[in-house]
Amino acid sequence: ETGVTQTPRHLVMGMTNKKSLKCEQHLGHNAMYWYKQSAKKPLELMFVYSLEERVENNSVPSRFSPECPNSSHLFLHLHTLQPEDSALYLCASSLTGLATDTQYFGPGTRLTVL
Amino acid sequence: GQNIDQPTEMTATEGAIVQINCTYQTSGFNGLFWYQQHAGEAPTFLSYNVLDGLEEKGRFSSFLSRSKGYSYLLLKELQMKDSASYLCAVRVQTGANNLFFGTGTRLTVIP
Repeated sequence: ETGVTQTPRHLVMGMTNKKSLKCEQHLGHNAMYWYKQSAKKPLELMFVYSLEERVENNSVPSRFSPECPNSSHLFLHLHTLQPEDSALYLCASSLTGLATDTQYFGPGTRLTVL
Repeated sequence: GQNIDQPTEMTATEGAIVQINCTYQTSGFNGLFWYQQHAGEAPTFLSYNVLDGLEEKGRFSSFLSRSKGYSYLLLKELQMKDSASYLCAVRVQTGANNLFFGTGTRLTVIP
């Protein structure tokens, strides 16, 4: 089983749609992360969950809503997105949420907002 | 704020050696990572440095100088499959596992 999986791999949505991105990790980790990767820009951390509690929210617009029902699953709910939100959304996990662990990434969801 | 710089693109020949540099200006430095990312795939962990010096792992080595805010990734005996983006990331001392990434260096290996 691949360590960190994400679905869907590709998503096209209109600005009025509501969709969700899913991430699942099979590594027994307790922390999970959402990143945004735009073309020619650095990876940007969006949210951090440790033991299912949100511990970091880097000024992300409210049209992005994360959910972490358990330590293996992480969702990113999307609504009324803008075209500039088109990007690769990467999920990652680490053993703990402390600043000592290596993060392991999923393959990402390529999102296009029309 | 955090500032991490690395070259946008590099080209090297199969079998050769290439060095990818990364300079950073951060507050609360707590380690530097290198990740490899093939197009359309997940970034994969390559190396981690928190102390000054060279860490060697097979064909890949990573160097860190904290006083200079400088790191490099050295790839030896280049193979075509090494064509990828190489991401430099700095961890800072916050409450959470907070990584700040450079824009990545796209390496193309040519025959």
